[in-house]
Amino acid sequence: KAGVTQTPRYLIKTRGQQVTLSCSPISGHRSVSWYQQTPGQGLQFLFEYFSETQRNKGNFPGRFSGRQFSNSRSEMNVSTLELGDSALYLCASSLGQAYTEAFFGQGTRLTVV
Amino acid sequence: GQNIDQPTEMTATEGAIVQINCTYQTSGFNGLFWYQQHAGEAPTFLSYNVLDGLEEKGRFSSFLSRSKGYSYLLLKELQMKDSASYLCAVRDSNYQLIWGAGTKLIIKP
Repeated sequence: KAGVTQTPRYLIKTRGQQVTLSCSPISGHRSVSWYQQTPGQGLQFLFEYFSETQRNKGNFPGRFSGRQFSNSRSEMNVSTLELGDSALYLCASSLGQAYTEAFFGQGTRLTVV
Repeated sequence: GQNIDQPTEMTATEGAIVQINCTYQTSGFNGLFWYQQHAGEAPTFLSYNVLDGLEEKGRFSSFLSRSKGYSYLLLKELQMKDSASYLCAVRDSNYQLIWGAGTKLIIKP
């Protein structure tokens, strides 16, 4: 079966702009989590969606938002981009909240200039 | 606060055994995960522990002690392709994953 698909793979944006990233989970998976990964910081949890509802949110400013659609596809949006938002954004899909395995997409590499 | 500690970098020799430790302090515990991440690639799942003890999966094993807030990942018969970062993550009482910064493992011939 197809894996987790994230688009686009690479993105270059200017400070102040906004960006939307997309994640299509594995078919049948209803939970999608988003992470920010920067060198030396590890993965930082952004938010988790299950059946179109945000269940968990990490400690990120309100400029970071997300949503999930009825087909489980998810998008995250970052408004008023800052240089520090440059990172690899990963999404992971799983069957549900108490999963024992989550599958990651290849990520979107965002560069803010 | 919540914290996951693992060594930043380790070096081992091809064919040898290496143990990567992970200690954690989290608000509750609902399982511990190990992931492997090659440079420029997505993390891939290695193991999941929720009960104390050792889980073995081929050349990889993972151990958990909940009372000590401690886990390790054991890699046997190291191969060059095992050069990667190894990420430890704990699911807390809110079912949120807390991640360590990762251990970069360098394998030398």
